[in-house]
Amino acid sequence: AQKITQTQPGMFVQEKEAVTLDCTYDTSDPSYGLFWYKQPSSGEMIFLIYQGSYDQQNATEGRYSLNFQKARKSANLVISASQLGDSAMYFCAMREGQGGGGFKTIFGAGTRLFVKA
Amino acid sequence: NAGVTQTPKFRILKIGQSMTLQCTQDMNHNYMYWYRQDPGMGLKLIYYSVGAGITDKGEVPNGYNVSRSTTEDFPLRLELAAPSQTSVYFCASSYSPGDVIMNTEAFFGQGTRLTVV
Repeated sequence: AQKITQTQPGMFVQEKEAVTLDCTYDTSDPSYGLFWYKQPSSGEMIFLIYQGSYDQQNATEGRYSLNFQKARKSANLVISASQLGDSAMYFCAMREGQGGGGFKTIFGAGTRLFVKA
Repeated sequence: NAGVTQTPKFRILKIGQSMTLQCTQDMNHNYMYWYRQDPGMGLKLIYYSVGAGITDKGEVPNGYNVSRSTTEDFPLRLELAAPSQTSVYFCASSYSPGDVIMNTEAFFGQGTRLTVV
């Protein structure tokens, strides 16, 4: 069965420093996708970055990069040069590609990031 | 572009009442999802649909029903509201043209805040 685990309920980071948000997952499906979303205090869900299970390189999108370690089943989000606007809730999500589950996407519990000035 | 539109934005229900949360997307996405987010928690998948006429249960389907008569609309029905259904409900959609295409993020509506008293 699909499972996503985010073990850090809250994280603090100094402005302009880098921060890593942890995400581990469990699946028996060889084909899956991993996503990170940001939820600011206003409540909307903002897509940040995607990593496919067959991708050879780690995904990057601007200041966001995904440290994908397939053997360890981890997909950590790295935010470089943190900004005050990065303060938000961050969710890791996984979508399985095959089998009876279709393409449903499940989310982790989230990590709340606080950026200090 | 309207994207994913949810109505209403806020609603207070009495125990035992019923209601339908509306969700419409104008992006011709084949996949649609309903999630609930309890305070300080991650998103839990209620139901999802891979296309018109096809729906399936997610992680927490009890107490809810859905239908998908058109590509655009995916309403969520609460038949007998209970205090445990107090939550923020998100509708989302995504597009996958084939079985092996995974890297399409979900677009979310703004959410419906539901309180059952």
